[in-house]
Amino acid sequence: QVQLQESGPGLVKPSETLSLTCAVSGYSISSGYYWGWIRQPPGKGLEWIGSIYHSGSTYYNPSLKSRVTISVDTSKNQFSLKLSSVTAADTAVYYCARHHRGFDYWGQGTLVTVSS
Amino acid sequence: QSALTQPASVSGSPGQSITISCTGTSSDVGGYNYVSWYQQHPGKAPKLMIYDVSKRPSGVSNRFSGSKSGNTASLTISGLQAEDEADYYCSSYTSSSTWVFGGGTKLTVL
Repeated sequence: QVQLQESGPGLVKPSETLSLTCAVSGYSISSGYYWGWIRQPPGKGLEWIGSIYHSGSTYYNPSLKSRVTISVDTSKNQFSLKLSSVTAADTAVYYCARHHRGFDYWGQGTLVTVSS
Repeated sequence: QSALTQPASVSGSPGQSITISCTGTSSDVGGYNYVSWYQQHPGKAPKLMIYDVSKRPSGVSNRFSGSKSGNTASLTISGLQAEDEADYYCSSYTSSSTWVFGGGTKLTVL
């Protein structure tokens, strides 16, 4: 059974960098699929942030591209998100997910609040 | 990229059928058969219900079906049940090698 688990600080100060990690179990990241990050501000809809292919190629939402970096650590079977220069508008539940033609496995989500 | 357009809310009575639309452009929904649908209950992660426009993952009820015509995809839920009350989101691959979600639709079972 594929499982994903997000981890990272729940509180980030404005202008700082948000960093999250997604640990994957039950499947080797290097075996295939895209591995993505999606966020959901409180009471709002889903927004795709970006994804990394198992080969290491990255794809980012154009509206966030200048601030986002997604990387993978195959030795630890995990991938990470960095979002720089955060503001209150970046407050959201952040999900990691596996996808190809659909996002089929999701983490439980982690709430990140941007506040001083 | 712009979010796909979904109705904010739909409702139906138990046993009825409802359809949720998802409108994009020829650069996303209309250009690829990579439309997927997600069900999200409050406080929970989204669950994949439909992928590749009309395919159901193992374990998803056959009351859920998907289709597409031009730039609009649709999710139909037949035999509506109380447990179907949730938020539903569509998603599509795009010509920019990105993915985009719809704004979401709140389904109320009357």
